[in-house]
Amino acid sequence: GAVVSQHPSRVICKSGTSVKIECRSLDFQATTMFWYRQFPKKSLMLMATSNEGSKATYEQGVEKDKFLINHASLTLSTLTVTSAHPEDSSFYICSARAEREAPNEQFFGPGTRLTVL
Amino acid sequence: GQNIDQPTEMTATEGAIVQINCTYQTSGFNGLFWYQQHAGEAPTFLSYNVLDGLEEKGRFSSFLSRSKGYSYLLLKELQMKDSASYLCAAMDSNYQLIWGAGTKLIIKP
Repeated sequence: GAVVSQHPSRVICKSGTSVKIECRSLDFQATTMFWYRQFPKKSLMLMATSNEGSKATYEQGVEKDKFLINHASLTLSTLTVTSAHPEDSSFYICSARAEREAPNEQFFGPGTRLTVL
Repeated sequence: GQNIDQPTEMTATEGAIVQINCTYQTSGFNGLFWYQQHAGEAPTFLSYNVLDGLEEKGRFSSFLSRSKGYSYLLLKELQMKDSASYLCAAMDSNYQLIWGAGTKLIIKP
């Protein structure tokens, strides 16, 4: 089956620092990757959609200069939270899709718990 | 606009059956998904319906009525480990998932 990994699984950082989260598709080529955040007891909120080799498409209200997304290859996308603040503390989840082979399927990574002190 | 509605919380007894309903409105439709999410973990895929009718997979079944914009997830022979949130998501014409807020299912012995 299709496997998506995320690293790190947990990260604690100080306010003002930047944190990078990696999302990798391990056994398939992901033409599209999605980044979500989830607050406690809330549903997933789509932050941005990234296609390999092009700029990410951000959802309304998501600051593109704060949440930098790079989808440099068909197996790797990164989300960098810049100048992190405590309100950025959340559960960040990525998912990946092989658009041509299976446009209806999204495979989720295990998530990254970010805590900003 | 696009919208997904599902109950916030449900309670059921171990060994019983529970049905979690979901209604949706999307721009175009490419299928209805159900995911299970335990606290602190990412969602895991349960089912996918794109045609009307019932799809059965072990203890879990999912139903879709496209004309009514309605789906349900049926869980039989409930086990304590089924305590989780169940997320309904509809895929729109751009193959983007529109998520419901999730239904927290509490299983009591």
